[in-house]
Order: sequence, then structure tokens, then C-alpha cells
Amino acid sequence: DAGVIQSPRHEVTEMGQEVTLRCKPISGHNSLFWYRQTMMRGLELLIYFNNNVPIDDSGMPEDRFSAKMPNASFSTLKIQPSEPRDSAVYFCASSLDWGYTDTQYFGPGTRLTVL
Amino acid sequence: AQSVTQLGSHVSVSEGALVLLRCNYSSSVPPYLFWYVQYPNQGLQLLLKYTSAATLVKGINGFEAEFKKSETSFHLTKPSAHMSDAAEYFCAVITSGSRLTFGEGTQLTVNP
Repeated sequence: DAGVIQSPRHEVTEMGQEVTLRCKPISGHNSLFWYRQTMMRGLELLIYFNNNVPIDDSGMPEDRFSAKMPNASFSTLKIQPSEPRDSAVYFCASSLDWGYTDTQYFGPGTRLTVL
Repeated sequence: AQSVTQLGSHVSVSEGALVLLRCNYSSSVPPYLFWYVQYPNQGLQLLLKYTSAATLVKGINGFEAEFKKSETSFHLTKPSAHMSDAAEYFCAVITSGSRLTFGEGTQLTVNP
């Protein structure tokens, strides 16, 4: 298996622009997670999907952030409009089973820089 | 509420020396505990996890961790460090009905 695939690996954009991050989970996995990693705040869970349905979005920082999972093999995290404080590494992870206790497999991340 | 505290944001050892990375957890109910490793410019990879079975958990790459309820600890060890072990290590905790919570990470440096 190719593992969790994220694109792009690097994104540089200007403040106010829309940013879309993409994730393809491991085939057969039922849960998908979006995380954000910064030096100041560490690793934060943004949103969790199970069977394509958002289960826990309490970590989404504000209305500028939105996430979708239209099917079992694809998810997007969108920031509109982007701000410099959104600069971070965004990770997608997937797991086989429902819930947080199963092993999560992380993608390589997308490094976002908002100028 | 649950949380983990990783003692020491940076740990430096010599190649061949013992690796000890400390993690203490706070939880009012039995937890699940994890250690993840992150190599530069990569995502996190699971090293091992404790799910209330054996208290001594063996993971990949020669790492192991021991769950000690009396000390609320889940320290990660490896008898002999390799250069390839240089990375950042994250302890994480979860309890039933809650979300996975990560510690702040410990950067391990291995000196030749």
C-alpha cells in the first residue's frame, strides 16, 4: 500500500487567498483525521471523519476552515481566506477502525506558508 | 481531562548508549497510551501502544515502554541508540470517548 497521500507537499500563498489541501487515506480505512502542527501549539487535531461523516470538528479553529470527505478515498481541508497565522504543517492520518484508539497512519504532511 | 507531559524537550545521547524518553500521563480512567516518532520532514509513525494488556510493550526498531500505573508513567527506552534513532518522539494518550492528545514532543539527538 502507498500509505496516506497528501498534496501538495508545500504550499506558499498570500494572505487572503484560498488554500485547499488534499488527502487520500489508506484503502479500506474507515477513519480520517486532519491535524495541524506548529512550534507554538504542537500537534492539534482539527477534525475527525468516520465513514465519510464528520464526527468531531471541535478542533477546527474558526469558520475560515472547512473540511469535506466526499468519498472514502478523498478528503480536503480548505482555508478561506488564509492568514499568516495559518502557517503550519498539516497532516492527514487514517485508521482502520472507528474511534481514536486504533493505530493512526500519518501522511507526510503539507507545509503551508501564508505570506 | 486527560493529558501527557514529556519531560525534556531535548535529549542527547551517545551512539550505543541507553535511550530513555519520559512521559507521564494524567487520566482519571484507564488510558490507552502511544509513542509516535517523527523523522525530519515526515509524518508521525507509531512505535508502540499500550491498550491495557501487558504492561511492558515492545515496539518497532528495538524500542519498548513500560506502563506504571503507580507512577502514571509510560517511559520509552531502547538499550542501545543508533544514529538513525535521531528524531522527534511524541507520547499520546486517549481514554474512552475522548480524542487522542499528544505531548509536546522530545527531540532526540544521537552523537557519534
